[in-house]
Amino acid sequence: AQTVTQSQPEMSVQEAETVTLSCTYDTSESDYYLFWYKQPPSRQMILVIRQEAYKQQNATENRFSVNFQKAAKSFSLKISDSQLGDAAMYFCAYSERDSGTYKYIFGTGTRLKVLA
Amino acid sequence: KAGVTQTPRYLIKTRGQQVTLSCSPISGHRSVSWYQQTPGQGLQFLFEYFSETQRNKGNFPGRFSGRQFSNSRSEMNVSTLELGDSALYLCASSSGYSEAFFGQGTRLTVV
Repeated sequence: AQTVTQSQPEMSVQEAETVTLSCTYDTSESDYYLFWYKQPPSRQMILVIRQEAYKQQNATENRFSVNFQKAAKSFSLKISDSQLGDAAMYFCAYSERDSGTYKYIFGTGTRLKVLA
Repeated sequence: KAGVTQTPRYLIKTRGQQVTLSCSPISGHRSVSWYQQTPGQGLQFLFEYFSETQRNKGNFPGRFSGRQFSNSRSEMNVSTLELGDSALYLCASSSGYSEAFFGQGTRLTVV
């Protein structure tokens, strides 16, 4: 069965510094997506970045970038120039098409604190 | 384009009661999934509906049920509420497996 593991329950970063959140996953599929979602205190889950498994190039979205290591099944999120508004729960997620259904699996989350 | 709408935002119920939560997906999205989020368990998958059919179900007791209507709106029902059902219930809609869009959730408190 597919699993997503986030081994860091909580991380802290100084404002303007860089932080990396870790995620590993397990799957036997070759066609899938990986995501990082952000959940601020407002509770709205927001997509931060998405990576298609077939694409070797790491996805980037402004200050957010990923390090996608397919063979190692690792998908880390790097946040550069951290801002106070980046403080939130971050969830790593995996999706695949499974027998016609869209299956999304989430990690347990990493709480990111940004220190002023 | 309107986002995913969940109602109500907050709900307080007594043990033994039942509750119905509603989710309106993004227009054009036919897949709706439900998740239970608790501090200790993270996001737990409840079920997924597509074109009024339940395609996938998580490991939850039969007290948790759902349905989807022809306009893709979905409802989730929990019967015989227990204290442990207190959680944030999130709904997500998608048009495929390339992205899921979430609502703001319904915070259910069982007392």
